[in-house]
Amino acid sequence: EDQVTQSPEALRLQEGESSSLNCSYTVSGLRGLFWYRQDPGKGPEFLFTLYSAGEEKEKERLKATLTKKESFLHITAPKPEDSATYLCAVPTSGYALNFGKGTSLLVTP
Amino acid sequence: GAGVSQSPSNKVTEKGKDVELRCDPISGHTALYWYRQSLGQGLEFLIYFQGNSAPDKSGLPSDRFSAERTGGSVSTLTIQRTQQEDSAVYLCASSSPGMVNSPLHFGNGTRLTVT
Repeated sequence: EDQVTQSPEALRLQEGESSSLNCSYTVSGLRGLFWYRQDPGKGPEFLFTLYSAGEEKEKERLKATLTKKESFLHITAPKPEDSATYLCAVPTSGYALNFGKGTSLLVTP
Repeated sequence: GAGVSQSPSNKVTEKGKDVELRCDPISGHTALYWYRQSLGQGLEFLIYFQGNSAPDKSGLPSDRFSAERTGGSVSTLTIQRTQQEDSAVYLCASSSPGMVNSPLHFGNGTRLTVT
């Protein structure tokens, strides 16, 4: 069964303190790995799609990387506005996305 | 342009009542998805529509749940005889052109509370 596991469940950082979020997956024939950001009371917002091991994508203070078994979302010098829940997802055998439970990130001033 | 619109934003209903949740996708998006997000849980896939093809209903948890998409645009998710375990945020998403690697654009959801 395809699975997506995210860690840690929650992370508290001070402003400027860099860290990484992990998404490990088991899926046969990866057809992409997606990262989303979700703010309280809002729907998830698309960040990145990664397709192959070794691929990296960046957006502002975020960088996503992909290996054959996991993906990392690196957050460099975070700011309080980066506080959100970060979700990763992989496609199922159909068209649905299988989401992890997310990492809740809090960045304090 | 306008994003995915969902209504109502909040719905409180009594156990046993039927509810209808509405989703208006981004214009031109051919694919539409319904997901459910319960407290402390990940997003749970419910149903997928793509153009005029038969929907993928594999995620619907019981026959109390149904959905339709009229004219390839607006979709309605109906839950009959609601139960307390149906309480969750119901999220709708659309994408174009509906390929597996097209990013999903989500609405802000309907928070359903069954009392």
